[in-house]
Amino acid sequence: DAGVIQSPRHEVTEMGQEVTLRCKPISGHDYLFWYRQTMMRGLELLIYFNNNVPIDDSGMPEDRFSAKMPNASFSTLKIQPSEPRDSAVYFCASSLGTANNPQHFGDGTRLSIL
Amino acid sequence: AQKVTQAQTEISVVEKEDVTLDCVYETRDTTYYLFWYKQPPSGELVFLIRRNSFDEQNEISGRYSWNFQKSTSSFNFTITASQVVDSAVYFCALSEERYSSASKIIFGSGTRLSIRP
Repeated sequence: DAGVIQSPRHEVTEMGQEVTLRCKPISGHDYLFWYRQTMMRGLELLIYFNNNVPIDDSGMPEDRFSAKMPNASFSTLKIQPSEPRDSAVYFCASSLGTANNPQHFGDGTRLSIL
Repeated sequence: AQKVTQAQTEISVVEKEDVTLDCVYETRDTTYYLFWYKQPPSGELVFLIRRNSFDEQNEISGRYSWNFQKSTSSFNFTITASQVVDSAVYFCALSEERYSSASKIIFGSGTRLSIRP
């Protein structure tokens, strides 16, 4: 069975550019989560969706970040404009049934903003 | 306030030693869930176990065991006869059950475990 698929695996771009990270959850999972991992702040939940609807976006750092889930099999996390402090590994995860069930993580996108 | 503390930033042991990773949590909810995840050097996060607040039974899975004690708000993880492949960063996480609002999920800062041959 396919796991959570994230793309790209690596992204290097210059500050000010728009960055779009993509995620395909496990088929049938109704919860989708976006996390950011940095050395300084650890693993932070940015936002999560249930049935394509954003439930909690309190972790989104600022207006430059936005996330969408247009359908059950696709989500994007967009940063516009990007800044060097956005450099991190971004993980997408999905779970089935409730937000408290085990989450299955993608391999992450390593983002570097120069 | 909801909080997860993994006081051990790094642990290094020799292969075959037993090692315990500590996790202490804070929550005001009576219904909550505790998790352990493993992040090997390859970077992905792998689910290991979930416990709910009403189940204090310890669990054993092969060389892994978990000790959940509500009295001390701890959910510790022990690896018996450690192996080099156990080298990873291990995260403890807490999720509170919310019926009228969004569940809150937070991760501890992780413990980096190195197993030396």
